[in-house]
Amino acid sequence: GAGVSQSPSNKVTEKGKDVELRCDPISGHTALYWYRQSLGQGLEFLIYFQGNSAPDKSGLPSDRFSAERTGGSVSTLTIQRTQQEDSAVYLCASSLVSRGGPVFGPGTRLTVT
Amino acid sequence: KQEVTQIPAALSVPEGENLVLNCSFTDSAIYNLQWFRQDPGKGLTSLLLIQSSQREQTSGRLNASLDKSSGRSTLYIAASQPGDSATYLCAVSETSGSRLTFGEGTQLTVNP
Repeated sequence: GAGVSQSPSNKVTEKGKDVELRCDPISGHTALYWYRQSLGQGLEFLIYFQGNSAPDKSGLPSDRFSAERTGGSVSTLTIQRTQQEDSAVYLCASSLVSRGGPVFGPGTRLTVT
Repeated sequence: KQEVTQIPAALSVPEGENLVLNCSFTDSAIYNLQWFRQDPGKGLTSLLLIQSSQREQTSGRLNASLDKSSGRSTLYIAASQPGDSATYLCAVSETSGSRLTFGEGTQLTVNP
């Protein structure tokens, strides 16, 4: 596609529920990143994919967070047993590693009530 | 651990002024530095990317400089316009394809 797309754009969930956030990167981009932006805080790195593998998942804050990427394309970030502190905007980005910097999607705003 | 700091945190200027946003980073062993713009409720838009071997990049009214040895970058905006109002973020990567480490951003308001 023309850009990075993310769905849903907004998600409200109850504490304790599981959520899945989806990212569709730019076609052909081999690298994919997830970041989190909490209110009043900077962007926090979560995980990096190169193809389908994740050489850097050191930013995942707890074992309730997981992510996968299939076919070197779409990625899903799953948060289990959501907590109120998980409320944030989750941003996905993709890039051609050998050229330029990452292109960001519009984000998913997650609110845990 | 790389840390990125942006000064000032907020800036309000009248339309037409030239302005400078500052970014500093603690580990000079960077691969590249990127400046982004973020509008309220939106994602990030890349403005300029400077490779570690470069000193500056220009795009229209924007000019970004990089002094890698001192761990500093500046974003110069000429003849500011109300449409420039946004949060400006600086980010560094340490190797090709690696994560970006972001500063907290500078919230810019350009008043008509």
